[in-house]
Amino acid sequence: DAGVIQSPRHEVTEMGQEVTLRCKPISGHDYLFWYRQTMMRGLELLIYFNNNVPIDDSGMPEDRFSAKMPNASFSTLKIQPSEPRDSAVYFCASSTGSYNEQFFGPGTRLTVL
Amino acid sequence: AQKVTQAQTEISVVEKEDVTLDCVYETRDTTYYLFWYKQPPSGELVFLIRRNSFDEQNEISGRYSWNFQKSTSSFNFTITASQVVDSAVYFCALRWGAGGTSYGKLTFGQGTILTVHP
Repeated sequence: DAGVIQSPRHEVTEMGQEVTLRCKPISGHDYLFWYRQTMMRGLELLIYFNNNVPIDDSGMPEDRFSAKMPNASFSTLKIQPSEPRDSAVYFCASSTGSYNEQFFGPGTRLTVL
Repeated sequence: AQKVTQAQTEISVVEKEDVTLDCVYETRDTTYYLFWYKQPPSGELVFLIRRNSFDEQNEISGRYSWNFQKSTSSFNFTITASQVVDSAVYFCALRWGAGGTSYGKLTFGQGTILTVHP
């Protein structure tokens, strides 16, 4: 079975540009999570969805960040406009139920120049 | 407040040594789940184990073992006879919340960097 798929794996962009990160969760998983990992702040939960509905977006740092899940097999995390401090590795994860382990994608390494 | 503390920032051992990674958690909930994840140099996060708050049995899986003690709020991870391939960052995480919007959240510790030298 395929794991969580993320694209692109690497993204380099210039400050002010729009960035869209994509995620395909494991089929049958009803929870989807977006995390950001930086050296300074570690792993932070940005937002998570249950059955395509956003449940908690309190971790989204600013209005520049938005996330959508139009269907059970696809989610996007958008940053507009991007800033150098957004440079990080962004992970998507999915799980069955809220109690079970989350399976992570390979991550997208974002560099904003 | 929910918190996970991994006090050991970095550990360095020589191959075949045993090593224990410490994890201390804080939560007011009586129902919660604890997890360990491994992040090798390639960057992906790999799930290792899940333990719920009602099950204090220790677990062994090959060279890996976990010791869960509610009395000290600890969930420590031991690697026996370490190998170079065990070199990675290891994260302990806490999932809490029986309801409300917190129920799906994981709080991660800062991670412990384990380096196993040949």
